[in-house]
Amino acid sequence: KAGVTQTPRYLIKTRGQQVTLSCSPISGHRSVSWYQQTPGQGLQFLFEYFSETQRNKGNFPGRFSGRQFSNSRSEMNVSTLELGDSALYLCASSLRGGTNSPLHFGNGTRLTVT
Amino acid sequence: AQSVTQLGSHVSVSEGALVLLRCNYSSSVPPYLFWYVQYPNQGLQLLLKYTSAATLVKGINGFEAEFKKSETSFHLTKPSAHMSDAAEYFCAVSEGNAGNNRKLIWGLGTSLAVNP
Repeated sequence: KAGVTQTPRYLIKTRGQQVTLSCSPISGHRSVSWYQQTPGQGLQFLFEYFSETQRNKGNFPGRFSGRQFSNSRSEMNVSTLELGDSALYLCASSLRGGTNSPLHFGNGTRLTVT
Repeated sequence: AQSVTQLGSHVSVSEGALVLLRCNYSSSVPPYLFWYVQYPNQGLQLLLKYTSAATLVKGINGFEAEFKKSETSFHLTKPSAHMSDAAEYFCAVSEGNAGNNRKLIWGLGTSLAVNP
């Protein structure tokens, strides 16, 4: 079974631009969660989607948004990029979401904002 | 709100030595607790989880963790470290109502180095 695939692996953007990250979950998984990982803050939960609906949301500004498609693939969008948005963005899929089934992580997209 | 504290951002052990990575949590309800591992340039992988069954939980790669309610701890151990264990380790606790609406709160991670 193929694992969680995140594209692209690396991105370099300038302040003020917007960016879209993509995540393809494991086949059959209906939940996709997004995390921001930085050395100082660790893993911060962004949001979780289940069957195309946002089920949970972290404490990030409205510049961070996401969506999930009918095939469970998910995209995350960050608008008006700031230097502080530089981070590794991780996507994780699970069968049922929440904490009732294990999270399977992709290798992440490393975003650098200059 | 729940929180997770991992004591020691960096731990260094010799190959063959005991590995002990510390995790303390705060939770107002019976928690679900997790340990994940992240190898360089990779995503996270579940090592083990506690969900109110046995207090000693065995995971993959020879790791285990013991839930101690009185100490609000969930420390990760391995009797004998291997070079391949060098990685970042994350402890996490579930937050929210029971069922599928729980989300995870993460510790800041402990980087484990294994010396030959």
